[in-house]
Amino acid sequence: AQSVAQPEDQVNVAEGNPLTVKCTYSVSGNPYLFWYVQYPNRGLQFLLKYITGDNLVKGSYGFEAEFNKSQTSFHLKKPSALVSDSALYFCAVRSKSGGYNKLIFGAGTRLAVHP
Amino acid sequence: KAGVTQTPRYLIKTRGQQVTLSCSPISGHRSVSWYQQTPGQGLQFLFEYFSETQRNKGNFPGRFSGRQFSNSRSEMNVSTLELGDSALYLCASSVGTSGADEQFFGPGTRLTVL
Repeated sequence: AQSVAQPEDQVNVAEGNPLTVKCTYSVSGNPYLFWYVQYPNRGLQFLLKYITGDNLVKGSYGFEAEFNKSQTSFHLKKPSALVSDSALYFCAVRSKSGGYNKLIFGAGTRLAVHP
Repeated sequence: KAGVTQTPRYLIKTRGQQVTLSCSPISGHRSVSWYQQTPGQGLQFLFEYFSETQRNKGNFPGRFSGRQFSNSRSEMNVSTLELGDSALYLCASSVGTSGADEQFFGPGTRLTVL
């Protein structure tokens, strides 16, 4: 069965410092991995995805993520956090075995960036 | 290009009633998926439609149903509402059914069941 784990409920970072939001996954077959962000009372916004190729993918708002097949991880990173990055972040996976348009989401990690 | 729109944005119903939520995908997108978001269960997949056909279904009771029209607009229906159906219902659209396509989400419909 497919699953996604986000081990931290909340991540606290000072503005200007680098941030990492962790994600590990479990699927059979090759995974398609995604990061989404949700602001209060809003839907999810797409940040970036890994399909194939380069393990480091760059996305919106200066975010990037590194795919690590051996560790089955897809951590979200940003070199310098902004207060406006404070939001709820979701990692998601889909694979051919799970049905391509069935996204399996992690529980979410709340990012709090302090001035 | 307009984003995914969902109507209504907020709904209050009582137990036993039924409700219909509507979703208009981004122009040109033919796949629509629905998700339920609750504090306890997180984001859970409900179903996916493509070309008016349900292609995938999550683990929800038969009270939850949906359909897609020829213009790709989609509706979901929940009958015999229960308190536990209170949630944010999110619709997402994508160009097709390729696993590589990202889904674009609407703002959601907040359903409260009293």
